[in-house]
Amino acid sequence: DQQVKQNSPSLSVQEGRISILNCDYTNSMFDYFLWYKKYPAEGPTFLISISSIKDKNEDGRFTVFLNKSAKHLSLHIVPSQPGDSAVYFCAAITGNQFYFGTGTSLTVIP
Amino acid sequence: DTAVSQTPKYLVTQMGNDKSIKCEQNLGHDTMYWYKQDSKKFLKIMFSYNNKELIINETVPNRFSPKSPDKAHLNLHINSLELGDSAVYFCASSRTRGGLTGELFFGEGSRLTVL
Repeated sequence: DQQVKQNSPSLSVQEGRISILNCDYTNSMFDYFLWYKKYPAEGPTFLISISSIKDKNEDGRFTVFLNKSAKHLSLHIVPSQPGDSAVYFCAAITGNQFYFGTGTSLTVIP
Repeated sequence: DTAVSQTPKYLVTQMGNDKSIKCEQNLGHDTMYWYKQDSKKFLKIMFSYNNKELIINETVPNRFSPKSPDKAHLNLHINSLELGDSAVYFCASSRTRGGLTGELFFGEGSRLTVL
């Protein structure tokens, strides 16, 4: 039972443009959402998070939006840079449990 | 200094063998985890360990057992390895139980291949 879904396995964006990564979830009890970034042969690293009581959190070039009524989360990266090319995992927390999506591979084309 | 380190990074072994993967964190975190990333890239929690409390994902076979000699270490032992155990195993740690700060620190992963 996959409670967090990333339906786009890959995304390609031109350098300087906006990258939008999407995530859907099914459990309304999730109280915290996160994005992790993963380079090949490395572990995921925390990128940005948002509490369920907020609808937006911004950190530099990264902004996460939360639409609770739609159970939808998105990560915006603007402007996109080649170094942003990685796999991005969406995750959600309830209680002690983290639930991860299957990831979206972002390629930023120079 | 690597915050969360796992060894070995690669492990190739035969079916039926017993193997261990070690994990150490130097962040002073209270909680450590083991995740399995399968062929579909799905990161699934296996265990979380906070001081004396072990929380086990009920879907994990009992051939898998975590061992924590101290707060900074959480090793993963696997008995009677099966082909389906082939995956990348990630160790992680967090400051608070459940990672309520939202931040898990992951190791680099250990790729296990069972032949």
